[in-house]
Amino acid sequence: KQEVTQIPAALSVPEGENLVLNCSFTDSAIYNLQWFRQDPGKGLTSLLLIQSSQREQTSGRLNASLDKSSGRSTLYIAASQPGDSATYLCAAEHNNNDMRFGAGTRLTVKP
Amino acid sequence: EAGVAQSPRYKIIEKRQSVAFWCNPISGHATLYWYQQILGQGPKLLIQFQNNGVVDDSQLPKDRFSAERLKGVDSTLKIQPAKLEDSAVYLCASSSIRDRVVAGNTIYFGEGSWLTVV
Repeated sequence: KQEVTQIPAALSVPEGENLVLNCSFTDSAIYNLQWFRQDPGKGLTSLLLIQSSQREQTSGRLNASLDKSSGRSTLYIAASQPGDSATYLCAAEHNNNDMRFGAGTRLTVKP
Repeated sequence: EAGVAQSPRYKIIEKRQSVAFWCNPISGHATLYWYQQILGQGPKLLIQFQNNGVVDDSQLPKDRFSAERLKGVDSTLKIQPAKLEDSAVYLCASSSIRDRVVAGNTIYFGEGSWLTVV
């Protein structure tokens, strides 16, 4: 059974800082790994999706990497801004559409 | 493009009462999901539909939860009778088969229905 863990559970940084969010998963036979953002009272928005054959994906100030062999993914946020404050969740999906989420990292970027 | 619509947004009920949530997915999306998200946790899949057929309902507490997707479009999730531990956000999501084949899986979430059982 896939288990997804995210560390840290919460993170507070000053504006402008570069930061890394971590995601680990127990079963490396994944179809893809996805990072989501969730704002308070809202649903989830997909940020980046890394397919199992890929090593990383980039979108603007966000870069996500995937290391299947070690069961890890990281989300790198460059030059953080207060608008980046949200909860970030990773999800590991298997080929049978089974998608398992971590509990998320709650990020606060202080002005 | 309209997003995934859910209603009601908020609901407070007493334990042992019943509640129903409605979801309208993005037009043309064959796959529809219902997730339960308890405060401080990640979403947990309750049920997945492909058109109007159930793909996975292994984590749906079938003694009290039921879901249907008539005509392969809208879906309803019902809880009867509700328990205190059912207090959570119920998220509906949808994706297209084409998105899955081409890009892995691009899944779109609604804003959720917040349930409080007292």
